[in-house]
Amino acid sequence: DIQMTQSPSSLSASVGDRVTITCRASQGISNYLAWYQQKPGKVPKLLIYAASTLQSGVPSRFSASGSGTDFTLTISSLQPEDVATYYCQKYYTAPRTFGQGTRLEIK
Amino acid sequence: QVQLVQSGSELKRPGASVKVSCKASGYSFINFAMNWVRQAPGQGLEWMGWINTDTGNPTYAQGFTGRFVFSLDTSVSTAYLQISGLTADDTAVYYCARSDWEEKYFDYWGQGSLVTVSS
Repeated sequence: DIQMTQSPSSLSASVGDRVTITCRASQGISNYLAWYQQKPGKVPKLLIYAASTLQSGVPSRFSASGSGTDFTLTISSLQPEDVATYYCQKYYTAPRTFGQGTRLEIK
Repeated sequence: QVQLVQSGSELKRPGASVKVSCKASGYSFINFAMNWVRQAPGQGLEWMGWINTDTGNPTYAQGFTGRFVFSLDTSVSTAYLQISGLTADDTAVYYCARSDWEEKYFDYWGQGSLVTVSS
């Protein structure tokens, strides 16, 4: 099975900072990658699909890129409401594995 | 609007069974697959598998075979997750999440159902 590895596992940044989270697949997955945001105590929310397509309603400070095995999620200017755990997921073939998550905090 | 409404929290004894429901509304139930995701306390998201809402055929991820059963009642647009032989390790929030047949990411999620297993 393909493994999904995120880095870092946790991250602390200041409001206004540019933040980047990386996700690596153990084998190529084309662009079949999604990013989810889970705020504390809340339900996961789809941010990005097809590696770089922003889900409707998601703020434009979120962007993502990548293909094959290496992917990134970027927040261009961190806001307090972005405190959350972020998960990548390979979704086209089973198992639809999630990364272990990256916890993002405000410094 | 699309909604997935799950059943409430459950407290079960070890060895018991539990059945979690996920009622869909706002879209045609059989036009989208339903996935199940587990999140143990303080842990990440774990995909349990999915069920084809058109045929009823389930697919289970490794580690979720045997005690876990996905089922449907299409007459009420509801998917079910049943877990038997509960142990403390099954304590978790269980989410249902919809995915398109072609684009298989999870665009809508239920609110989660907390299952606590304790004697």
